[in-house]
Amino acid sequence: DTGVSQDPRHKITKRGQNVTFRCDPISEHNRLYWYRQTLGQGPEFLTYFQNEAQLEKSRLLSDRFSAERPKGSFSTLEIQRTEQGDSAMYLCASSFPWDPGNLNTEAFFGQGTRLTVV
Amino acid sequence: AQKVTQAQTEISVVEKEDVTLDCVYETRDTTYYLFWYKQPPSGELVFLIRRNSFDEQNEISGRYSWNFQKSTSSFNFTITASQVVDSAVYFCALRRRGNFNKFYFGSGTKLNVKP
Repeated sequence: DTGVSQDPRHKITKRGQNVTFRCDPISEHNRLYWYRQTLGQGPEFLTYFQNEAQLEKSRLLSDRFSAERPKGSFSTLEIQRTEQGDSAMYLCASSFPWDPGNLNTEAFFGQGTRLTVV
Repeated sequence: AQKVTQAQTEISVVEKEDVTLDCVYETRDTTYYLFWYKQPPSGELVFLIRRNSFDEQNEISGRYSWNFQKSTSSFNFTITASQVVDSAVYFCALRRRGNFNKFYFGSGTKLNVKP
């Protein structure tokens, strides 16, 4: 499978616990994005990496959230002291540098990690 | 502020019917991009189309067609002769020029195609 891979696919955790998700982008994609999708809503932007640099963060990314992409390949998203409001699908996407003339530079999304905080 | 509205929460049709999914957007930008994505039960978002704000030509791809009308800020999606495999949640999205990292998604329309 050469698509964007996310692990785990499902995670159930107790409130207050820390969780970490992993995203493996498509090989050679230097851009990586995290989005959050709550039930019945569209995805919302969380953060963006170009190689290992985190270049943009949404205000949705509170100080309990941290994302890394240490070697410019895979990325991790950690949520500390989880709250019930963190229950959502966390989607990762990756892309080449954007070229308006090339639709293949649009983002490819993974299948997401569904987090349930009980 | 950017906003995308998909007023239809859920639509059910019988196979072979045509169905139109509505999308209305708000932006003050003069240059922007509009998208449709499909989200099957497996969860990933599948890219369907991108349209830039300067191109109001309608597009047809097989059973899919898109109608972009800048005057009404709408970008509607029609599936002709729907099939069970079309069942999914469909998202309309907007992206600003120069900020290719961030999509503004609507809340989605769940399409149920019954045999």
